[in-house]
Amino acid sequence: KAGVTQTPRYLIKTRGQQVTLSCSPISGHRSVSWYQQTPGQGLQFLFEYFSETQRNKGNFPGRFSGRQFSNSRSEMNVSTLELGDSALYLCASSPSGRDTSVNEQYFGPGTRLTVT
Amino acid sequence: AQTVTQSQPEMSVQEAETVTLSCTYDTSESNYYLFWYKQPPSRQMILVIRQEAYKQQNATENRFSVNFQKAAKSFSLKISDSQLGDTAMYFCAFIFNIIQGAQKLVFGQGTRLTINP
Repeated sequence: KAGVTQTPRYLIKTRGQQVTLSCSPISGHRSVSWYQQTPGQGLQFLFEYFSETQRNKGNFPGRFSGRQFSNSRSEMNVSTLELGDSALYLCASSPSGRDTSVNEQYFGPGTRLTVT
Repeated sequence: AQTVTQSQPEMSVQEAETVTLSCTYDTSESNYYLFWYKQPPSRQMILVIRQEAYKQQNATENRFSVNFQKAAKSFSLKISDSQLGDTAMYFCAFIFNIIQGAQKLVFGQGTRLTINP
């Protein structure tokens, strides 16, 4: 199976702009989670989508939003970019479900966002 | 609050040596899963090993094994016969079902491991 893919891999934006990042999960995975990784704050959970519904949300401002499509692909959007939004954004997919053996998350290569 | 603490920001060992990375966590949940992830310089996050909290037996994956002490909320990773390719950031993480099936990984700050030739 192909792994989790994220596009674009690198992005440079200016303060005040908005950006959309895309994530394609592993085939058959229905859960997609997004994480922000910065040197100062480490890895922080943004949100999780399952069956096109946001199932859980981290402690980020409303400028960060996401959605999931019927094919499980997900996008996250950041509006009114700030310098502090510069980070590596990681997407992870999981089969999810009630079976305890399917809670592993598999990560994509990330999108490196630089805000200038 | 659910937290993960990795007390060793950096470690360095010689190739072929054994190294143990420490991790403690805090949760009031009874049903959760613990993971070690590896992030090499390429930045690709790779799952190394997982442990279900309800299982008493420590997980092993080839050269990687864990020492899971549930009462102490400790979850250390042992790498045996370390190799140059093991050089990476290692993150301890756990997940608990807020709503049944919901996923939210809580990560530690990471330990930068360097394997020297």
